[in-house]
Amino acid sequence: QVQLVQSGADVKKPGASVKVSCKASGYTVTSHAMHWVRQAPGQRLEWMGWIIAGSGNRKYSRNFQGRVTITSDTSASTVYMELSSLRFEDTAVYYCARGWGSSEQNWFDPWGQGTLVTVSS
Amino acid sequence: QSVLTQPPSVSGAPGQRVTISCTGSSSNIGAGYDVHWYQQLPGTAPKVLIYGNTNRPSGVPDRFSGSKSGTSASLAITGLQAEDEAHYYCQSYDSSLSGYVFGTGTKVTVL
Repeated sequence: QVQLVQSGADVKKPGASVKVSCKASGYTVTSHAMHWVRQAPGQRLEWMGWIIAGSGNRKYSRNFQGRVTITSDTSASTVYMELSSLRFEDTAVYYCARGWGSSEQNWFDPWGQGTLVTVSS
Repeated sequence: QSVLTQPPSVSGAPGQRVTISCTGSSSNIGAGYDVHWYQQLPGTAPKVLIYGNTNRPSGVPDRFSGSKSGTSASLAITGLQAEDEAHYYCQSYDSSLSGYVFGTGTKVTVL
């Protein structure tokens, strides 16, 4: 079955960068967009961006422009999300999720299990 | 910024019907972009309940239904059950932001 498995929790200092991985199985990672969504403690979901693995096509939310980079390694069926210049408010659970549907009409299914990133001095 | 607005909480007794609204604008729901709904149980990743405004993925009970009209959408849960206690989020695309947006989230409590 389709599964997305993410890397483990991480703790970073303010100003540092974090890179979260998302390994896909059960389907070809190049066939669907992969999205990243985060959720700060007790807060709503926030979309960060997407990539079509292997194509170079990607798009980022304006809220993260310049700080987020989404990349892929198709040989490893893995997508990565790197967030730089971390702030305390970047403490959140980060999810990857496969996109379905046409452009600008995507919904997300399934989701990875989530990766908690804590920014602490 | 909260582009899609949902009520913070709704509640109902077992067996009752509850609805969750998702209010957008002319740059998202009103522009014709589809609305999708997710259920998030405590400590878990979201799961899609409704996609494309009204469609249920296989495995989702038919107690869940979605609708869309104008700049708003709604999720209805009929025959409320204890296991429906969760957070629910709507999601769409916003042309002015050039990105996907989520609702503010609604906590459903089964009394």
